[in-house]
Amino acid sequence: QQQVKQSPQSLIVQKGGISIINCAYENTAFDYFPWYQQFPGKGPALLIAIRPDVSEKKEGRFTISFNKSAKQFSLHIMDSQPGDSATYFCAASRGEKKGFKTIFGAGTRLFVKA
Amino acid sequence: GAVVSQHPSRVICKSGTSVKIECRSLDFQATTMFWYRQFPKQSLMLMATSNEGSKATYEQGVEKDKFLINHASLTLSTLTVTSAHPEDSSFYICSKTSGGAFNEQFFGPGTRLTVL
Repeated sequence: QQQVKQSPQSLIVQKGGISIINCAYENTAFDYFPWYQQFPGKGPALLIAIRPDVSEKKEGRFTISFNKSAKQFSLHIMDSQPGDSATYFCAASRGEKKGFKTIFGAGTRLFVKA
Repeated sequence: GAVVSQHPSRVICKSGTSVKIECRSLDFQATTMFWYRQFPKQSLMLMATSNEGSKATYEQGVEKDKFLINHASLTLSTLTVTSAHPEDSSFYICSKTSGGAFNEQFFGPGTRLTVL
């Protein structure tokens, strides 16, 4: 019940293409779903996040789609650029009132070909 | 700008020695901070929750006597890897939350520990 399943493990996309990464969670107690971007040798950085009462959130080229009934959410990177090449982690988080906890997916290594 | 800093960024030590890693909150006080370990090409694994003024809470399977956590001030948490061995070589990352309803997490830049 604590797992967050992320796919694919790795992804190669042509410059200008759309990168899509999918995640699924099990525990309905989670109420915050962030995506983190991590470059080699660096700490993760928050990219975009969504609450379960919203089905989609868009920030620039990055969009989260959220399906509460299916307990799935995905990250879409439009017009993918070589600079987007990094590892992406989805996560499911529960706020402090319920006892703060974040479970991370296994990560997706994205490579955008120039 | 960065809200969490870590020091050192890289450390190489001999087997059997102890290494201290510092994690600082740069913008506001953090009563709670988190320590993660990340092996190459793997996800982040929570090791422990550091609580200011009280004992840390360790995740199952993490040896509290080996990974000593001290949160002596509202802006500083330290992780000491005692009697380090090559299998402790990893990327150690600390984080804090923003507080509020959804607790956005801010991560430090990480510390690469190599034990020879």
